[in-house]
Amino acid sequence: NAGVTQTPKFQVLKTGQSMTLQCAQDMNHNSMYWYRQDPGMGLRLIYYSASEGTTDKGEVPNGYNVSRLNKREFSLRLESAAPSQTSVYFCASSTGQGILTDTQYFGPGTRLTVL
Amino acid sequence: AQSVTQLGSHVSVSEGALVLLRCNYSSSVPPYLFWYVQYPNQGLQLLLKYTTGATLVKGINGFEAEFKKSETSFHLTKPSAHMSDAAEYFCAVRAGSSASKIIFGSGTRLSIRP
Repeated sequence: NAGVTQTPKFQVLKTGQSMTLQCAQDMNHNSMYWYRQDPGMGLRLIYYSASEGTTDKGEVPNGYNVSRLNKREFSLRLESAAPSQTSVYFCASSTGQGILTDTQYFGPGTRLTVL
Repeated sequence: AQSVTQLGSHVSVSEGALVLLRCNYSSSVPPYLFWYVQYPNQGLQLLLKYTTGATLVKGINGFEAEFKKSETSFHLTKPSAHMSDAAEYFCAVRAGSSASKIIFGSGTRLSIRP
């Protein structure tokens, strides 16, 4: 199993450009998440999707949009990139069922630089 | 509201020495606590988690953590460090008993000296 996959691995954008980060999981998980990781700040939740057809804002949603395309795929879109969005972006998924057993599995990350 | 504080952004130990990474939490509800490890250029991997029951939790790679309610702590330990343990470690708390959101600490980078 591939687990959680993310594309691209690296991306450089100019201010104002748009792009979509792709995430897919093959574990039949219900819930999916997008985080950003910045030095000294840990991971911060951008958006999450508890189940197919639903999305909710996390801690830092401004400047981003998401689409839960189907159960497998959850994309993150930057409509007009800003230098403050330079970060490493992680996608994660979990079963979303059973608080005691639910574990998030992470993808390898996308390193985004906005000039 | 839930929050996590990791004491020490960088910890360095000698190979074979005890590893101790500190984590304190704040939670208005019974906490669910996690430790994740991130190796260079990789995503996060779950080391261990505390939900209910036994307060000493054993994880992968010889790590363990003890939930101490009175101290609001969940420190991560390993008796003998190995070079392969060099990584960044994140403590995290689930934001509520029914929520799917996790609050992460700022991370502690562990270096191992030969």
